[in-house]
Amino acid sequence: QQQVKQSPQSLIVQKGGIPIINCAYENTAFDYFPWYQQFPGKGPALLIAIRPDVSEKKEGRFTISFNKSAKQFSLHIMDSQPGDSATYFCAAKDTGRRALTFGSGTRLQVQP
Amino acid sequence: EPEVTQTPSHQVTQMGQEVILRCVPISNHLYFYWYRQILGQKVEFLVSFYNNEISEKSEIFDDQFSVERPDGSNFTLKIRSTKLEDSAMYFCASSEVVSSIGTQYFGPGTRLLVL
Repeated sequence: QQQVKQSPQSLIVQKGGIPIINCAYENTAFDYFPWYQQFPGKGPALLIAIRPDVSEKKEGRFTISFNKSAKQFSLHIMDSQPGDSATYFCAAKDTGRRALTFGSGTRLQVQP
Repeated sequence: EPEVTQTPSHQVTQMGQEVILRCVPISNHLYFYWYRQILGQKVEFLVSFYNNEISEKSEIFDDQFSVERPDGSNFTLKIRSTKLEDSAMYFCASSEVVSSIGTQYFGPGTRLLVL
């Protein structure tokens, strides 16, 4: 119930491509869905976040699409760059709580 | 830009020994967290702390773990008697109080290796 399932596990795209990372959840009490970016040797850093009353949110080249009925959300990276190569984690937070439940992560490699 | 800092960056210890991991949260934040990430796995929540007490904890956070805010700036995680399976990257995070939606800012982590 508390799990967040993330796919794919790894992804390789060419520079300029649009990688898409997908997450799915079961707990309808989740009320906040952040995406974190993690570079090797660093802690996760918040990239973009969405609440379930919104179907899409865009910040720069990063877009979250949210499908409440399907209980799925995804991250799209427009015009991807080699500097975007990192591990991306989706996460979710339960109403009234602060603990984040993370997905298993997607290792993205953007080739020049 | 303010950031969460953690010390040490790496720690090696023998099984059964006590370790203390230290964190300095962002100065105006009042909610603090510990997460861990076993190598190659997802980040897992351990505990959150507010107003000098634990506000939430996961099933991972058993009696061998404890947290403390010993002064106005530090936040510590103590593992009383380390086990091999405690080997992981431990991340401290902090957030503002205002809303439960508040962004959690993560530190760079302490890599703990238990031998």
